[in-house]
Amino acid sequence: DQQVKQNSPSLSVQEGRISILNCDYTNSMFDYFLWYKKYPAEGPTFLISISSIKDKNEDGRFTVFLNKSAKHLSLHIVPSQPGDSAVYFCAASRDGGSNYKLTFGKGTLLTVNP
Amino acid sequence: GAVVSQHPSWVICKSGTSVKIECRSLDFQATTMFWYRQFPKQSLMLMATSNEGSKATYEQGVEKDKFLINHASLTLSTLTVTSAHPEDSSFYICSATGSTLETQYFGPGTRLLVL
Repeated sequence: DQQVKQNSPSLSVQEGRISILNCDYTNSMFDYFLWYKKYPAEGPTFLISISSIKDKNEDGRFTVFLNKSAKHLSLHIVPSQPGDSAVYFCAASRDGGSNYKLTFGKGTLLTVNP
Repeated sequence: GAVVSQHPSWVICKSGTSVKIECRSLDFQATTMFWYRQFPKQSLMLMATSNEGSKATYEQGVEKDKFLINHASLTLSTLTVTSAHPEDSSFYICSATGSTLETQYFGPGTRLLVL
């Protein structure tokens, strides 16, 4: 049972435009969400997180939006750059993330074309 | 800061042999380390959680006698795949966190191929 779903396996965007990566979850106990970026043959790199008490968190070009009622979150990257091309994983945790256990989605491959 | 290394980065072994993978936190004390496995085009699946000085907690379906985890110090955890078989071939990634960190930091992963 996939508790964290990333339904788009891939996304292609032009440089300078906005990239929107989506993630849905089914477990209502999740209250802390994270996005990771992963290059081939490397471990994931933490990008940005959001607590369920917020609906938006912004860090530079990256913004994460959380819609608790829909159990949906999205990562916006604007403007997109070729170096953003990677696999993006959505992850969710319980207990405010304090127990650190993460449940990951399958990832979305983002390709930013020059 | 918050750098995690893994060794080796890739390994090829014969079926039936055991393989040890090391995970080190280079600039912080890792009170908790995690081991994940990733199959192609799949998500990272948590295998086990280990706290320094205590036994690892394995996720459902993960054989503890097959995947031996040792977390003997605050900077080192090891995963030993015992009597490896071709179906154990995968990408193994560790992560670590500490009391001063807000999330897990991942190692670069180890690609295991069992022939």
